[in-house]
Amino acid sequence: NAGVTQTPKFQVLKTGQSMTLQCAQDMNHNSMYWYRQDPGMGLRLIYYSASEGTTDKGEVPNGYNVSRLNKREFSLRLESAAPSQTSVYFCASTALGGVNTEAFFGQGTRLTVV
Amino acid sequence: DQQVKQNSPSLSVQEGRISILNCDYTNSMFDYFLWYKKYPAEGPTFLISISSIKDKNEDGRFTVFLNKSAKHLSLHIVPSQPGDSAVYFCAASAASRDDKIIFGKGTRLHILP
Repeated sequence: NAGVTQTPKFQVLKTGQSMTLQCAQDMNHNSMYWYRQDPGMGLRLIYYSASEGTTDKGEVPNGYNVSRLNKREFSLRLESAAPSQTSVYFCASTALGGVNTEAFFGQGTRLTVV
Repeated sequence: DQQVKQNSPSLSVQEGRISILNCDYTNSMFDYFLWYKKYPAEGPTFLISISSIKDKNEDGRFTVFLNKSAKHLSLHIVPSQPGDSAVYFCAASAASRDDKIIFGKGTRLHILP
């Protein structure tokens, strides 16, 4: 049972390049999330998806787009990467959103934009 | 504006003693609170949670206390062990409104030998 799988684990981009971070969960969870972790800033919510076909903005959505492809997959796209998007990105999923349940996290994607 | 606040960036505790990590929140709609533990180069892992209808939840060495009137919760670890050295994140959600889970900035706990 893999849980939450993120790819890639590491990525270096040049300013202005685009890329998509992939996330898949095999726990049949309804809700999925993208967070970024920066030193001294904790985990900040970028976007989340309560169910297949729905997405909502989190705390720091600017510069990102997301796609809930199906129940398993939730991707995060950077259309034109900026150095300020250098961060560690975590995908998470929960069975029923924030309702009395824990979130399971992937191992993270370390992204550097130069 | 931060909705979940962990005002202590770091905490050092002697092995065997009690570790107390604090968390404050501002959103009165939050009704479910969680603590996560994170080691370097790994994703956060769930530790313990508490619903707003309770004021205490215990799981082995870990106990979470919730004071709704003060909008404050704390995580107690006793006795503290070397493997407890990690970053601890407090998180909260307002399940009646939406599926967002909001995290604090984290507290780095050092267990001293």
